[in-house]
Amino acid sequence: AQSVTQPDIHITVSEGASLELRCNYSYGATPYLFWYVQSPGQGLQLLLKYFSGDTLVQGIKGFEAEFKRSQSSFNLRKPSVHWSDAAEYFCAVGAPFTGGGNKLTFGTGTQLKVEL
Amino acid sequence: DGGITQSPKYLFRKEGQNVTLSCEQNLNHDAMYWYRQDPGQGLRLIYYSQIVNDFQKGDIAEGYSVSREKKESFPLTVTSAQKNPTAFYLCASRRTGGNTEAFFGQGTRLTVV
Repeated sequence: AQSVTQPDIHITVSEGASLELRCNYSYGATPYLFWYVQSPGQGLQLLLKYFSGDTLVQGIKGFEAEFKRSQSSFNLRKPSVHWSDAAEYFCAVGAPFTGGGNKLTFGTGTQLKVEL
Repeated sequence: DGGITQSPKYLFRKEGQNVTLSCEQNLNHDAMYWYRQDPGQGLRLIYYSQIVNDFQKGDIAEGYSVSREKKESFPLTVTSAQKNPTAFYLCASRRTGGNTEAFFGQGTRLTVV
């Protein structure tokens, strides 16, 4: 069964500092990987996704993530955090859409606080 | 604009009553999902549907029911059998074929009193 672990429940960074949010996954084949962001009381917005190819993927809002197969990781990074980045971040793993199954499994999320 | 609409945004119900949450999409996606979100537990899959008139149980289906009579609509009923229904519910959809991500609605916060 597929699973996702986000080991950091809460992270606090100063505005302008760099950020790395950790994500480890368990999946039997090459996974599809996603990072989503959620503001309080809202739905989830896709930041970036990895399906294949270049292991460093760029997303919206200046975020990037690197897929490392050897470490089963897909960590999210941003070189300089803005106060508006404060939100909850979710990593997710899924499979290519097939007739036999199409579940997306989410981690428990990391709450990011940005200090001014 | 294409998207997913969940209604209502806030819903209050008395204990023991069934309640139905609406989810409509105009993205022409075949697959639709319902997730439940509780603090510190991430998103847990309740039900999903890959095609009209067919759906599968997710990880926490007990106490919930769904229907998929139209491609655009995937309503979720929270029944009185659900022991702890107060939560934030998220609906999502996904295109079939190739590399696809899920698109989410804005959620419905259900409070049972």
